[in-house]
Amino acid sequence: GQNIDQPTEMTATEGAIVQINCTYQTSGFNGLFWYQQHAGEAPTFLSYNVLDGLEEKGRFSSFLSRSKGYSYLLLKELQMKDSASYLCAVRDHRYSTLTFGKGTMLLVSP
Amino acid sequence: DSGVTQTPKHLITATGQRVTLRCSPRSGDLSVYWYQQSLDQGLQFLIQYYNGEERAKGNILERFSAQQFPDLHSELNLSSLELGDSALYFCASSSPVEYEQYFGPGTRLTVT
Repeated sequence: GQNIDQPTEMTATEGAIVQINCTYQTSGFNGLFWYQQHAGEAPTFLSYNVLDGLEEKGRFSSFLSRSKGYSYLLLKELQMKDSASYLCAVRDHRYSTLTFGKGTMLLVSP
Repeated sequence: DSGVTQTPKHLITATGQRVTLRCSPRSGDLSVYWYQQSLDQGLQFLIQYYNGEERAKGNILERFSAQQFPDLHSELNLSSLELGDSALYFCASSSPVEYEQYFGPGTRLTVT
């Protein structure tokens, strides 16, 4: 099975940098995803890591360490619209299904 | 807009009833996934279909069933509904060559 942990809530200030951590224990790993979800809306894809290291995409970066079962999502130059839930998900190696953590609610204040 | 469509957007029904949720995947996507999202449980994988065949099962109750039709749209049937089934139900689709899943807008089910 899969077990995924991430903080429940985080707060940050507009213009700042925030790091959201995710740890996982899995019986079969084939990639780690980060999704953003605004309240009542569909999750939208942010990033994907399958190899160790940092993937950068604009203001968002994601890091993976497979040996440590650890990932983080780094958000720079925070904007008010970044207030949302951030979901960490691990992909199963057999069927490409995703197991999601419970999400980290990020509140960005002025 | 992800290209995945779901109907209806909202559904209110009574305990003991049965409902059907519908999903149309993105053009060309063969895989369809169903998820349930409640406040206390987060986003939970229910079931996956690939090109009409069931491929993987997650935390799907026996009262729930799904199918994927030849035109690749999918339906999730929920029966003997209980108050605890109130949730957002998402459908997602993916293609064989891409790694990401694209989510539909969801159906909000309220059981009273």
